[in-house]
Amino acid sequence: EVQLVESGGGLVQSGRSLRLSCAASGFSFEDFAMHWVRQVPGKGLEWVSGISWEGSRMGYADSVRGRFTISRDNPSNSLYLQINNLRPEDMALYFCAKGLNDYTLRDYFDSWGQGTLVAVSS
Amino acid sequence: DIQMTQSPSSLSASVGDRVTVTCRASQSISTNLNWYQQRPGRAPKLLIYATSTLESGIPSRFSGRGSGTDFSLTISSLQPEDFATYYCQQSYSSPVTFGQGTKVEIK
Repeated sequence: EVQLVESGGGLVQSGRSLRLSCAASGFSFEDFAMHWVRQVPGKGLEWVSGISWEGSRMGYADSVRGRFTISRDNPSNSLYLQINNLRPEDMALYFCAKGLNDYTLRDYFDSWGQGTLVAVSS
Repeated sequence: DIQMTQSPSSLSASVGDRVTVTCRASQSISTNLNWYQQRPGRAPKLLIYATSTLESGIPSRFSGRGSGTDFSLTISSLQPEDFATYYCQQSYSSPVTFGQGTKVEIK
């Protein structure tokens, strides 16, 4: 059974940094692209970032490019999202999601974690 | 970026009803359209990919159709567990984008 468990969220002051993690199990992590999708409570879904199976291709939403960095460590089945210069509009539930493809980020998502909540104080 | 617009934003229906949600893309996305269900307090769940292919384990009362810019998700006979929010998502071009969601509520 695929399991994705996010961690690292919390209440952080605007302008500070945070690192989110996603621990994956139940599938061959190194074979798939992985993504972060966020959701402001009560609102819709927004794709934030994705990374190809071996980490050579990364993509970001315009709203986070230059502040967020996605990375992965295949030996430990882990996905990360480094968030710098947090803004109030970054406050959301951040989901880790498994892609169906390996390299392209034009992907869809067949497994999701339960999310980790990032709250931003001014 | 490709904009995805769903209609309606919400609807009320009864158990057993046939329900259709539509999704329109701002440009042609071929058949690269996917649907998710999100129950309150839960993560999204993939229902249908590539417009009409049911994800494993999804009941056959769910179906999808369309191509180009216009797509639809139909639930043939609404069940109590189907009351949720549904999102479409295009995987034709990067960045992938979602519709704003359609909330299906109990009448």
